[in-house]
Amino acid sequence: AQSVTQPDIHITVSEGASLELRCNYSYGATPYLFWYVQSPGQGLQLLLKYFSGDTLVQGIKGFEAEFKRSQSSFNLRKPSVHWSDAAEYFCAVGAQGGGTSYGKLTFGQGTILTVHP
Amino acid sequence: GAGVSQSPSNKVTEKGKDVELRCDPISGHTALYWYRQSLGQGLEFLIYFQGNSAPDKSGLPSDRFSAERTGGSVSTLTIQRTQQEDSAVYLCASSLSSTNEKLFFGSGTQLSVL
Repeated sequence: AQSVTQPDIHITVSEGASLELRCNYSYGATPYLFWYVQSPGQGLQLLLKYFSGDTLVQGIKGFEAEFKRSQSSFNLRKPSVHWSDAAEYFCAVGAQGGGTSYGKLTFGQGTILTVHP
Repeated sequence: GAGVSQSPSNKVTEKGKDVELRCDPISGHTALYWYRQSLGQGLEFLIYFQGNSAPDKSGLPSDRFSAERTGGSVSTLTIQRTQQEDSAVYLCASSLSSTNEKLFFGSGTQLSVL
């Protein structure tokens, strides 16, 4: 069965500092990988996704993530954090092929990001 | 509306009662998903519907949980004989189709079972 681990429950950074949120997955083949963000009082929003090809993917709001097969990781990065980035971030993995829905995802437990001014 | 709408936004019920949670997906979206988010946990897949196909119920935790989707649009998630462990946020999402990976989530229903 596939699984996702986000080792950091809570991360605090200063505004303007760089950010890296960790995500490790377990899956038997090449997975589909996603990062979602959940801001207070709002629904989850897709930040970026990896399906195939270039292992460095760009997303919205200046975020990027790098797929590293050898490390089974898909870490999310941002070079300079803004106060509005404070939210909870979820990494998710989806199955490829076999008629499986692309929306049937396994999520990590989430990382809460706090941004200090 | 422009987004996925869920109602009620909050529901408090007593243990043993039945509850119904409603989801109104984005118009034209044929795929609809239900997820559960328990305190301190990630999202847990429950069920999804794609058009008129039989739903994928593989994530439903027990036979107390059921869902239906009428007319390919609105969906209702029903929990019978609620238990305290059912307390969670229930999230609905829709997408253009099951082969489209971009999910649009509603704001969820916070269910509290006393």
